[in-house]
Amino acid sequence: QLQLQESGPGLVKPSETLSLTCTVSGGSISSSSYYWGWIRQPPGKGLEWIGSIYYSGSTYYNPSLKSRVTISVDTSKNQFSLKLSSVTAADTAVYYCAREMATIERHAFDIWGQGTMVTVSS
Amino acid sequence: EIVLTQSPGTLSLSPGERATLSCRASQSVSSSYLAWYQQKPGQAPRLLIYGASSRATGIPDRFSGSGSGTDFTLTISRLEPEDFAVYYCQQYGSSPYSFTFGPGTKVDIK
Repeated sequence: QLQLQESGPGLVKPSETLSLTCTVSGGSISSSSYYWGWIRQPPGKGLEWIGSIYYSGSTYYNPSLKSRVTISVDTSKNQFSLKLSSVTAADTAVYYCAREMATIERHAFDIWGQGTMVTVSS
Repeated sequence: EIVLTQSPGTLSLSPGERATLSCRASQSVSSSYLAWYQQKPGQAPRLLIYGASSRATGIPDRFSGSGSGTDFTLTISRLEPEDFAVYYCQQYGSSPYSFTFGPGTKVDIK
């Protein structure tokens, strides 16, 4: 079955760029009707959508993060990636990648990675 | 921007009891774009309900969703021990493309 796995550094220094990759296995990232998203969760807090990407490269970002976020896709590797620039301690969170069902009838994240904790600290 | 409010913040119930969780939106939401998730400690969220009332694959029928407009409800008919968790509602908006999550309701054991 389809699985997603996040990877990347667990510690990032303030003002630097956080970079994570999500590897999709058991299925193709180029499937129609699905977007691929990043969601984060600060310790002890709720969920925040960061952005989503289609396999063609179309992207949508949370307006509150848009100036610092870049999401890209590599269909040859079945991966998509997140870059978040100028990080501060407020960006410390568990970062999840997820598959987004995206049709006129539904928009929801149906398959999630296990999440990866990223701490911003010097 | 649509804001989601969930109530109560915490619901203390016993196994076998019925749980009723509320999600209220600051403006009308298309039922097609309202979802519910369950999250247990140390785990990723799991999709329970999409389109306000459709159960996701593998979700037991004790979970049901209802509602429209600004008021939505997740009902767990009879709580099983594994149902004690945090539940989030989520809405999708198309203009602009965005997702918003509610703050969550924790269902814990009484």
